[in-house]
Amino acid sequence: DAMVIQNPRYQVTQFGKPVTLSCSQTLNHNVMYWYQQKSSQAPKLLFHYYDKDFNNEADTPDNFQSRRPNTSFCFLDIRSPGLGDAAMYLCATSRKGNRATEAFFGQGTRLTVV
Amino acid sequence: AQTVTQSQPEMSVQEAETVTLSCTYDTSENNYYLFWYKQPPSRQMILVIRQEAYKQQNATENRFSVNFQKAAKSFSLKISDSQLGDTAMYFCAFSRYGGSQGNLIFGKGTKLSVKP
Repeated sequence: DAMVIQNPRYQVTQFGKPVTLSCSQTLNHNVMYWYQQKSSQAPKLLFHYYDKDFNNEADTPDNFQSRRPNTSFCFLDIRSPGLGDAAMYLCATSRKGNRATEAFFGQGTRLTVV
Repeated sequence: AQTVTQSQPEMSVQEAETVTLSCTYDTSENNYYLFWYKQPPSRQMILVIRQEAYKQQNATENRFSVNFQKAAKSFSLKISDSQLGDTAMYFCAFSRYGGSQGNLIFGKGTKLSVKP
């Protein structure tokens, strides 16, 4: 089945140690998103890629970076994780333009910072 | 800036009964999308229903329907004949028209429990 896959499902990292979360999709959507969802809070958009164009939200900390090497993959890099970065990170995709679609989400990666 | 408010942190309903989840939003735009997403425990978020603001007719998907009141900026979700599998977190979300539909502003969610 076509889907959005996030790896790993659970990630534990040390305070200050860089960590990368990955997302892949088989939907061939041209937009990929990263959301941060802290406990009991609404998901918050960090940034998205429209094809190769990177779009950062104004209040996304510089500590968060993203890469999209090709249509199928997108990575979230946290350069120096702090305790406040512990959260569920959701990847999503959609098609923009002709035959636009709603967002399709992955299962998320739960990040713990120790 | 757009905001989405869900005033019911938790709700419960008996199996087979009907429940309505509330959502209000604020925007100065005339055209936009509104969504209800469902997030079951430990599973991915999935779309329940979508409403396009320029359509006056309320969207319906099987047991799920919305009451879209554009002037009041209200967008409630009605679940009929509730099933145990409807137990989940429900998020109301807003997206600008003409942008990417996945560029979403979410409410804080309503945790729905369906009891047997």
